[in-house]
Amino acid sequence: AQKVTQAQTEISVVEKEDVTLDCVYETRDTTYYLFWYKQPPSGELVFLIRRNSFDEQNEISGRYSWNFQKSTSSFNFTITASQVVDSAVYFCALSEWNTGFQKLVFGTGTRLLVSP
Amino acid sequence: NAGVMQNPRHLVRRRGQEARLRCSPMKGHSHVYWYRQLPEEGLKFMVYLQKENIIDESGMPKERFSAEFPKEGPSILRIQQVVRGDSAAYFCASSPPAGDGTEAFFGQGTRLTVV
Repeated sequence: AQKVTQAQTEISVVEKEDVTLDCVYETRDTTYYLFWYKQPPSGELVFLIRRNSFDEQNEISGRYSWNFQKSTSSFNFTITASQVVDSAVYFCALSEWNTGFQKLVFGTGTRLLVSP
Repeated sequence: NAGVMQNPRHLVRRRGQEARLRCSPMKGHSHVYWYRQLPEEGLKFMVYLQKENIIDESGMPKERFSAEFPKEGPSILRIQQVVRGDSAAYFCASSPPAGDGTEAFFGQGTRLTVV
C-alpha cells in the first residue's frame, strides 16, 4: 500500500539558515509521481513541484531544491537561506499508476518556523 | 482565468445540522476531487467525480457524507447531521478532461467548524 512519511513534525530555524525537509515514501508501483505543497498560515495549498518516478534528476528553483533518490525512496526538500515568509506547513505527496494517478496520498506535514 | 473556487471559506454548523460545501472547478475542468484535512494532519482523499458520475469514493465515510457533480453547476459535498469530529478543512481540486490528479489545482478550502 502507498504511504508517505514525514518524520519531522516541526522544525525551527533562524533566518538565513538552510533547512532540509525529509520525505520517505512507500509504493509497489514503478510508475508514480511525487509532490511537495506549501500550506502557509492563511491555509491554502500552494503547489511547489511534481516529479515522476523516471526522472531522478535533482531540481533547483531559486532557493528551493529537491533531491529524489529512488534507492532510498526519498524525496527531500531543501530551502537555502530561509526567510520568515517560508514559515508554513510543507506536505509531501504521492500519486500512483494503479489509481490512474487520480488520488494523492499526503504525508502528515512538517511545520517550518523561521524566526528573524 | 479563475482558479478553483470554494465557498464558503468558513462554515459554522451546530451538531445535527447539514453542511453543504461548494466547489466550482477551473474553467474547462471536468474532474473534481475532494480531500479532508483534520486538525494537525495531512490531507486525505475522499472522492473523485466527473460530470454526473462518482468515479472513486473509497475515502468517503459510509454514512452522512455524499458528493455530487451535476452537469450544470458546482460540485457539492454534503454532510448530514454533522458531529464535532467533522470539523476540518475540506479542499477541492480540479483537473482537465484529459488530465489526472497529478495535474489538479486546489481551491483555498472550506473550514468547517461544528459547535
